[in-house]
Amino acid sequence: KNQVEQSPQSLIILEGKNCTLQCNYTVSPFSNLRWYKQDTGRGPVSLTIMTFSENTKSNGRYTATLDADTKQSSLHITASQLSDSASYICVVTVLSGYNKLIFGAGTRLAVHP
Amino acid sequence: DTEVTQTPKHLVMGMTNKKSLKCEQHMGHRAMYWYKQKAKKPPELMFVYSYEKLSINESVPSRFSPECPNSSLLNLHLHALQPEDSALYLCASSHRTGKKRANTEAFFGQGTRLTVV
Repeated sequence: KNQVEQSPQSLIILEGKNCTLQCNYTVSPFSNLRWYKQDTGRGPVSLTIMTFSENTKSNGRYTATLDADTKQSSLHITASQLSDSASYICVVTVLSGYNKLIFGAGTRLAVHP
Repeated sequence: DTEVTQTPKHLVMGMTNKKSLKCEQHMGHRAMYWYKQKAKKPPELMFVYSYEKLSINESVPSRFSPECPNSSLLNLHLHALQPEDSALYLCASSHRTGKKRANTEAFFGQGTRLTVV
């Protein structure tokens, strides 16, 4: 069964601190892995997308890693800001004719001043 | 333009009403999607349109009726909904994927917050 599991479920950090979110997946056949940021009541916004041959990808203060052998990914947020408070969703795409997305449950991040 | 535009942003409707959600994109994407998202849950796929034809229906009740009038527009017609259908409805679009296009991006709209009373 295709599954994406994220940890932790929720996280509270102080402004300016770094944090790392984890994602484990069992999806086949694998196409790519994405990290999305979703503010409450809004649509997800893409942060990074990686295929199996990519180990790391950065987008500003966000850096994602992918280990295709262990089927693990992480999202590292550097120098957190209050605006980083959101849900971060790991999504794995099944290789098919359309974007068949398998969503993780998300990590709810709260950045406090 | 990398936007997927959804209207309305908010909708309150009675159980006997008929309403429609609209989604528009101008990125030349030929795959468009409807998702339903309940609070604190990940989005659930409802429908997929590929080249304006319905290709995936995830056993969605017939009170939800999708329509793709052209390659830029996607509608979701609502009729006789139940209170449990209250949710955030997300539209997304992408190029069709395949082995030669493994990293194609999926863009989401901002969603329509639907409340059924």
